[in-house]
Amino acid sequence: NAGVTQTPKFQVLKTGQSMTLQCAQDMNHEYMSWYRQDPGMGLRLIHYSVGAGITDQGEVPNGYNVSRSTTEDFPLRLLSAAPSQTSVYFCASRGQRNYGYTFGSGTRLTVV
Amino acid sequence: KNEVEQSPQNLTAQEGEFITINCSYSVGISALHWLQQHPGGGIVSLFMLSSGKKKHGRLIATINIQEKHSSLHITASHPRDSAVYICAVRWYGSGGSNYKLTFGKGTLLTVNP
Repeated sequence: NAGVTQTPKFQVLKTGQSMTLQCAQDMNHEYMSWYRQDPGMGLRLIHYSVGAGITDQGEVPNGYNVSRSTTEDFPLRLLSAAPSQTSVYFCASRGQRNYGYTFGSGTRLTVV
Repeated sequence: KNEVEQSPQNLTAQEGEFITINCSYSVGISALHWLQQHPGGGIVSLFMLSSGKKKHGRLIATINIQEKHSSLHITASHPRDSAVYICAVRWYGSGGSNYKLTFGKGTLLTVNP
């Protein structure tokens, strides 16, 4: 099915561990982005990419790395997990001609 | 700072009622999006607006560019409409900044049978 696929759906990490949240889309969308959603706050942009090989920081980039080696994939890496990174993470994509955004189903991450 | 404000934060209605959710933003935008998120669920795009009005089924979205304000209306509300409704805007810009969204905090709608 066409869309944005996020894995895993749930993850528990210990403080200091690292992990990668996966995001893949099969719509040939140029733009991909990662957001975090915390209670009482709107979604906040972590990192985004406007094409393969191009990434940039969003509003809350600290503690996260991204890369975009292909159009399809945009993984988000947590280098050393902290309890403040407990959140729900969403990946979204958008094509240049398609002005709507397609969101993944989310990853609920808990750091203990 | 470019901001997006939604009201109300919480809304409870009886089945069949007409619902209005409001969104205001601070500066000029290239587009405004309305999104829906069911509890524990993913986010679905409902509308994208740059002017005027759009309708899809029982949902109507309007935008007033001069007043920097948008509304989402639900006619004949139903319990399955219970969800968080999120307003998001794309500010005027170029390159990557033209893709980025700024989100409101969302409106939690509960429709009771």
